[in-house]
Amino acid sequence: DTAVSQTPKYLVTQMGNDKSIKCEQNLGHDTMYWYKQDSKKFLKIMFSYNNKELIINETVPNRFSPKSPDKAHLNLHINSLELGDSAVYFCASSRLTTRGSGQYFGPGTRLTVT
Amino acid sequence: AQTVTQSQPEMSVQEAETVTLSCTYDTSESDYYLFWYKQPPSRQMILVIRQEAYKQQNATENRFSVNFQKAAKSFSLKISDSQLGDAAMYFCAYKGNTPLVFGKGTRLSVIA
Repeated sequence: DTAVSQTPKYLVTQMGNDKSIKCEQNLGHDTMYWYKQDSKKFLKIMFSYNNKELIINETVPNRFSPKSPDKAHLNLHINSLELGDSAVYFCASSRLTTRGSGQYFGPGTRLTVT
Repeated sequence: AQTVTQSQPEMSVQEAETVTLSCTYDTSESDYYLFWYKQPPSRQMILVIRQEAYKQQNATENRFSVNFQKAAKSFSLKISDSQLGDAAMYFCAYKGNTPLVFGKGTRLSVIA
């Protein structure tokens, strides 16, 4: 069983397009996250949702819009894609009340904008 | 703001030998958690080991152990009996009352 899954794993698209990445977790966690890993492998949080409510929104262009239809899903929609959006995007989940248990990551989505 | 520093961008180790990866962090919090994540070429982020700041005993998971020095704000990872499958990027991470903060990673190569 896959704990945290993301689709698609690879996404190649042109500048100006709109795309979505889907994430699902079956761990029963109440908090989900989106991270961006740049070409230098640096990981930075973008968003966090707890029980479908946005609790963290780091400095991210408003072209990025997360949507959480329920506790098990957190999708990322990106409008008007730019070259600089090329990166690997990771979804993760955890239980907010047990922050010491760590976060569990999906396999990542490699986004390439041409 | 909390910061995590991994001063070794790259390390290498002979198969079956032991290697230590360094991590230091900066915080004013007293209650926090520290983690090591492994990212192999498959890019999957895998939680290797965790440490609770209020526990003095160093965490151990099979061949992986940490040396946690709270006063020095140091959290190094020791890999014993290194295997080819240990080759990966290793990220140190801090979790307090803020989002998880990652270091920039150390790329570990294992030489057969």
